[in-house]
Amino acid sequence: AQTVTQSQPEMSVQEAETVTLSCTYDTSESDYYLFWYKQPPSRQMILVIRQEAYKQQNATENRFSVNFQKAAKSFSLKISDSQLGDAAMYFCAYRSQETSYDKVIFGPGTSLSVIP
Amino acid sequence: DAMVIQNPRYQVTQFGKPVTLSCSQTLNHNVMYWYQQKSSQAPKLLFHYYDKDFNNEADTPDNFQSRRPNTSFCFLDIRSPGLGDAAMYLCATGQLNTEAFFGQGTRLTVV
Repeated sequence: AQTVTQSQPEMSVQEAETVTLSCTYDTSESDYYLFWYKQPPSRQMILVIRQEAYKQQNATENRFSVNFQKAAKSFSLKISDSQLGDAAMYFCAYRSQETSYDKVIFGPGTSLSVIP
Repeated sequence: DAMVIQNPRYQVTQFGKPVTLSCSQTLNHNVMYWYQQKSSQAPKLLFHYYDKDFNNEADTPDNFQSRRPNTSFCFLDIRSPGLGDAAMYLCATGQLNTEAFFGQGTRLTVV
């Protein structure tokens, strides 16, 4: 079974600075997706960024980028130029690509605070 | 514009009184998921559908049931809610090669 681990329950960053959130996962599959989701206090889960395992290039979305290390099973999220609106819970998630109706598995989350 | 819609946003039910939460989608996705999320925890998958094929997680209590009458709608039935079932319930949809798209959730309070 696949598992997702986030070792940082809480993180804080100064506004305009950069922060990196860690995620590791365990799987025996070769094809899968990895995601970072953001859940602000309003509680709707929003996709931040996705990475296909077969792609070596790290995904980027504006201020958000990932460092995907497939051999190490590591998938960290870097937030540059942090803004107050980035404060939220961040969940790392895994989805198999090897079946069509597989589940999305979440890590325990990292609570990010942004200090003005 | 809302793509995954959950109703109601807030639900209060009495201990032991059956309650139904609903979810609808405009994305025409094959997969629909129900997650339970307790405060400061990760969402926990209860079950999911691929079209009409139902997939129950092994640790989902029998107290929780689900129905999917058509592609657009999915329901979560809690037959006899206990105090421990108070949580946010998240519905999500997905398709092959996509992420999961979430609704805003229904916060369930059991009194």
